[in-house]
Amino acid sequence: GAVVSQHPSWVICKSGTSVKIECRSLDFQATTMFWYRQFPKQSLMLMATSNEGSKATYEQGVEKDKFLINHASLTLSTLTVTSAHPEDSSFYICSARDPKQRGPYEQYFGPGTRLTVT
Amino acid sequence: GQNIDQPTEMTATEGAIVQINCTYQTSGFNGLFWYQQHAGEAPTFLSYNVLDGLEEKGRFSSFLSRSKGYSYLLLKELQMKDSASYLCAPRNDYKLSFGAGTTVTVRA
Repeated sequence: GAVVSQHPSWVICKSGTSVKIECRSLDFQATTMFWYRQFPKQSLMLMATSNEGSKATYEQGVEKDKFLINHASLTLSTLTVTSAHPEDSSFYICSARDPKQRGPYEQYFGPGTRLTVT
Repeated sequence: GQNIDQPTEMTATEGAIVQINCTYQTSGFNGLFWYQQHAGEAPTFLSYNVLDGLEEKGRFSSFLSRSKGYSYLLLKELQMKDSASYLCAPRNDYKLSFGAGTTVTVRA
């Protein structure tokens, strides 16, 4: 089946620094990628939808200047958390959409990135 | 907006059956997914319904009633490894909205 990777799998950074998380589709071209955030014991919250070659669409309440998303190629999207603060500590998960598939096989989740801001 | 309700926790015995209900109100709808998620891991796909009725996949089945905004996931012959969080996720276009998840604990 299709594979989506994320890098890094976990990262610890100091407050005020920026962190970049990569999401790659390994064996298909993803026209659309989604970024989610999950706090402990809570569900996945969609942060933004990333379309290759265009600006990301952010969900209500998500600061686009703080969470920079770049989808420069059909296999790579990046999420940069700028000026990170402890409250940004969370589990960040991406998913990638395969436009050649339908139904349940359209989207594949990456393994997630655990961000801890100290 | 999206409103998705599912029970917070359920406990069952190994070998038993558990049914996780989900009700949803979404601005648009074109399918409903069920995912399993273990702590610290990404969700894994379990089942998908786009039309009303029951979809069966081995020990897991899922039911959908679009007119009622209702779905359930049925887990049969429970195993210890089924202890996890189960997420109901209706889809609107290509966007998934997730419920808070139901934590299922399987006891010996």
